[in-house]
Amino acid sequence: EDKVVQSPLSLVVHEGDTVTLNCSYEVTNFRSLLWYKQEKKAPTFLFMLTSSGIEKKSGRLSSILDKKELFSILNITATQTGDSAIYLCAASSGGGSEKLVFGKGTKLTVNP
Amino acid sequence: DTAVSQTPKYLVTQMGNDKSIKCEQNLGHDTMYWYKQDSKKFLKIMFSYNNKELIINETVPNRFSPKSPDKAHLNLHINSLELGDSAVYFCASSRDRAPYGYTFGSGTRLTVV
Repeated sequence: EDKVVQSPLSLVVHEGDTVTLNCSYEVTNFRSLLWYKQEKKAPTFLFMLTSSGIEKKSGRLSSILDKKELFSILNITATQTGDSAIYLCAASSGGGSEKLVFGKGTKLTVNP
Repeated sequence: DTAVSQTPKYLVTQMGNDKSIKCEQNLGHDTMYWYKQDSKKFLKIMFSYNNKELIINETVPNRFSPKSPDKAHLNLHINSLELGDSAVYFCASSRDRAPYGYTFGSGTRLTVV
């Protein structure tokens, strides 16, 4: 059965800290790994990773994929209170019927 | 202006009732999805339609029936609601079944009492 496992499930840090969120996956016909940020409502897209070893960056956020070890990490540097959210990792399972298999998320709380 | 819109945003109903949630997207996408997010925030796919054709039907009770009158709409009808159906239901759409183009609606919080 397809599965995505995220760790830690929750994390509490202080503003300015750097955090690393982990995601491992086992899905059939893997296509890509996606990260989403969910605050109060809909998940919002952060990154999509398809190639190993190529870091994607957006401001203080960055992410990288290791297709050999089947995991990805999401780094957030100089965290701010506005980074508090649930971060969802999802693996795209292809084979003609693309779907996203989500992990349970990491709840990040950044305290001032 | 909303790209993927769901109605209603909140729904409180009694066990045994039948209810529908509507979803519309104005992005020109041809694939639409229903996801269920439980109380532990676990998001899981239920259905996917591509150009009105059902392409994904995960292990979901028969009480759940999606309907896609056209590629811009995907509605979800639920019969004989149960307490365990309480969750947030997200509609999403993408182009060409590709996950990178996913756009989620803002969710419908269903509470069954």
